[in-house]
Amino acid sequence: GESVGLHLPTLSVQEGDNSIINCAYSNSASDYFIWYKQESGKGPQFIIDIRSNMDKRQGQRVTVLLNKTVKHLSLQIAATQPGDSAVYFCAENYGGSQGNLIFGKGTKLSVKP
Amino acid sequence: EPEVTQTPSHQVTQMGQEVILRCVPISNHLYFYWYRQILGQKVEFLVSFYNNEISEKSEIFDDQFSVERPDGSNFTLKIRSTKLEDSAMYFCASSGGGSSYNSPLHFGNGTRLTVT
Repeated sequence: GESVGLHLPTLSVQEGDNSIINCAYSNSASDYFIWYKQESGKGPQFIIDIRSNMDKRQGQRVTVLLNKTVKHLSLQIAATQPGDSAVYFCAENYGGSQGNLIFGKGTKLSVKP
Repeated sequence: EPEVTQTPSHQVTQMGQEVILRCVPISNHLYFYWYRQILGQKVEFLVSFYNNEISEKSEIFDDQFSVERPDGSNFTLKIRSTKLEDSAMYFCASSGGGSSYNSPLHFGNGTRLTVT
């Protein structure tokens, strides 16, 4: 089975609405989680990260929530814009591993104007 | 904003040939990585590199693969004898003065390798 997976492969939202992208992980030893955005033809772009000693972290228009009890991670994007259209990946890492991020499959977010 | 740059953007090679993919990490970063993404699949870790040596590698990174930091700015991935299944997008990444736990990875835009 996959260590990191996504519940929905595609998500379509109206411009201005909030988006929620979900991710499940199975490795209880993972202690660091990152969300990346990937636009067509580009590499993964760092959005936000969170460590396992936190439940929530906020950035500009984005919030990451971590529920260690059910091993669930979510990315919330407020007031979604057309420029947010991309594939979003969650990735996990544990402190004993140097840079070995385990990526999920990705969720494609489409923003309708 | 500093970025990771990769060349070439697209490389076509014949099966059995050697290829070298090149990367210039962010200048003050100390940790360097290669990942790959086969079309339609997940991004997969290949190798991490620190202090002029490999610090971790995955099962994918077999004897056909090698990495090198030939000078103070470049970081290369060599595939000695390419196979059809090596066709993928290869991403270079770097991170700052700590493990990825302390410093997120920054990725380049990738080299698309096509093996025919």
